[in-house]
Amino acid sequence: EPEVTQTPSHQVTQMGQEVILRCVPISNHLYFYWYRQILGQKVEFLVSFYNNEISEKSEIFDDQFSVERPDGSNFTLKIRSTKLEDSAMYFCASGKGINYGYTFGSGTRLTVV
Amino acid sequence: GNSVTQMEGPVTLSEEAFLTINCTYTATGYPSLFWYVQYPGEGLQLLLKATKADDKGSNKGFEATYRKETTSFHLEKGSVQVSDSAVYFCALIDNTGNQFYFGTGTSLTVIP
Repeated sequence: EPEVTQTPSHQVTQMGQEVILRCVPISNHLYFYWYRQILGQKVEFLVSFYNNEISEKSEIFDDQFSVERPDGSNFTLKIRSTKLEDSAMYFCASGKGINYGYTFGSGTRLTVV
Repeated sequence: GNSVTQMEGPVTLSEEAFLTINCTYTATGYPSLFWYVQYPGEGLQLLLKATKADDKGSNKGFEATYRKETTSFHLEKGSVQVSDSAVYFCALIDNTGNQFYFGTGTSLTVIP
């Protein structure tokens, strides 16, 4: 069964450093998302992406965040200057449309120290 | 706005007990509804979905029916197993498809 692949599975970074979280969505999917889950808390929407542009973003997705689809397969989330409170599990998801289930990756656990 | 409210956890059941996790939603238009499951240390996996009123989603013995009149999508299983121990998230996506709205998650522990 097709999967959404996220790398790395765990990343530790120092506060203030830039990180790039990588995702390979399912190949025929058109909608892409980033979510995050702070340990023990709810899953929070960050951003959705369609047709090579952001379609919606949350209040969390401020200027320190950016997304890119640099080629036909990857979908990246960049955090420019990490803060301690950015420590969370980050999930990428992709889908074909609103009547279909969306497939989530297994996540990248980001730890900012 | 759109939102999902689900039953607070944690829930602890004995093996073979009946499970219900309540989920209600608020949405404009006609959302699609989902249940996702998160096993310890893993990502979110789609458990089941329903895209219109009165649809029943089912998978692995779990089922949920999209009830527009009560704006609910309760998750049920007739006989739980230890391997069902996980966190269960109810979610909706609205007509725009721009984002999922997740409930807070309900932790289920099944004891032998």
